[in-house]
Amino acid sequence: DGGITQSPKYLFRKEGQNVTLSCEQNLNHDAMYWYRQDPGQGLRLIYYSQIVNDFQKGDIAEGYSVSREKKESFPLTVTSAQKNPTAFYLCASSIVGEGEFFGPGTRLTVL
Amino acid sequence: SQQGEEDPQALSIQEGENATMNCSYKTSINNLQWYRQNSGRGLVHLILIRSNEREKHSGRLRVTLDTSKKSSSLLITASRAADTASYFCATLGPSGSRLTFGEGTQLTVNP
Repeated sequence: DGGITQSPKYLFRKEGQNVTLSCEQNLNHDAMYWYRQDPGQGLRLIYYSQIVNDFQKGDIAEGYSVSREKKESFPLTVTSAQKNPTAFYLCASSIVGEGEFFGPGTRLTVL
Repeated sequence: SQQGEEDPQALSIQEGENATMNCSYKTSINNLQWYRQNSGRGLVHLILIRSNEREKHSGRLRVTLDTSKKSSSLLITASRAADTASYFCATLGPSGSRLTFGEGTQLTVNP
């Protein structure tokens, strides 16, 4: 059963804490992506990776960090430097240049 | 940076009617993709049209692309209440490395 999973579904963070969002895919896709979505808006690219051990900043990378140690996994850390982290976070994967497959999302709330 | 702009922002129709959504973009593209998002969920890839294609069909979906006008349209025929969702266009630039999403059209199909 191939797909892309994200965990947790809901995450609560206190101000000043770092949190890590998980994204795993078993579709054998080389490329993976992290997006942020605010209410009523489109998706903004945070980071993307087209190959293991390499990743690129997207449009809103400040306050976030990623790693790509395995093809299947692309975790996103929301650091305390991100001033307004409350949002819906979406992970996706794809064959480079083709349509993206999205996970179900993680809703992060800062308390 | 948001490349694609959807029009209208919101559309409300009756079941059985056709729904047309438009997308305009600013720079040259490799391909253009349409996605659907149900409330609180991840995006689902609907259709991809390449820059050398003018029209593509998939079931009740019809997508056109006019590269001279830098615009695309998504037509959903014989709409159903289950088509209620947000629809996003996304463009892949010539480098083929990442998508840029528009703000989306919220479609409501009334039974």
